[in-house]
Amino acid sequence: TQLLEQSPQFLSIQEGENLTVYCNSSSVFSSLQWYRQEPGEGPVLLVTVVTGGEVKKLKRLTFQFGDARKDSSLHITAAQPGDTGLYLCAGARWSQGGSEKLVFGKGTKLTVNP
Amino acid sequence: NAGVTQTPKFQVLKTGQSMTLQCAQDMNHEYMSWYRQDPGMGLRLIHYSVGAGITDQGEVPNGYNVSRSTTEDFPLRLLSAAPSQTSVYFCASRRAIGGKQYFGPGTRLTVT
Repeated sequence: TQLLEQSPQFLSIQEGENLTVYCNSSSVFSSLQWYRQEPGEGPVLLVTVVTGGEVKKLKRLTFQFGDARKDSSLHITAAQPGDTGLYLCAGARWSQGGSEKLVFGKGTKLTVNP
Repeated sequence: NAGVTQTPKFQVLKTGQSMTLQCAQDMNHEYMSWYRQDPGMGLRLIHYSVGAGITDQGEVPNGYNVSRSTTEDFPLRLLSAAPSQTSVYFCASRRAIGGKQYFGPGTRLTVT
């Protein structure tokens, strides 16, 4: 059972279009992170959202955490070829041992065509 | 500042062989973890450590061992490699509370 459902799995759009990637769960998370990964490299953290309803902007990227802290979205305005990559969401949960662990979604592979 | 380093970059093993994937960080982070990434599966946590001498299992720990004798190093050992362990392995580190997580460049392992 996938704890974090990410959609769509693949997205191919033209330069200048807008897009939204969703990350949904039935579980509550203490925080939610979004990463971007390029081929042959490790994921790079884009943003962490902590508070229910929180919205963060990073240039043309807008991240939102759901009010109940169970879901999140990533919206890209006027996509550019440089936005191409694998976008991963990860929810943070506290384990019984008292440490915080991340659960990752399967990722959205975005291709922006010039 | 090297961040998180992993060696080797690529490795091919035969079934039954053992090997150690190395991971080191120079940021004095308490928390280190190992993930595997398979096509269509995202990243899955194998083992993690909240400090030197302390390790715990993640989602998919079977077939892997870890130890954390120093803050800097967190090696991952494959005891008897199996084709199902063919994957890309990522090491990551962060401060214990609220820290940004940094990933290494990955090790691509093929088991034949």
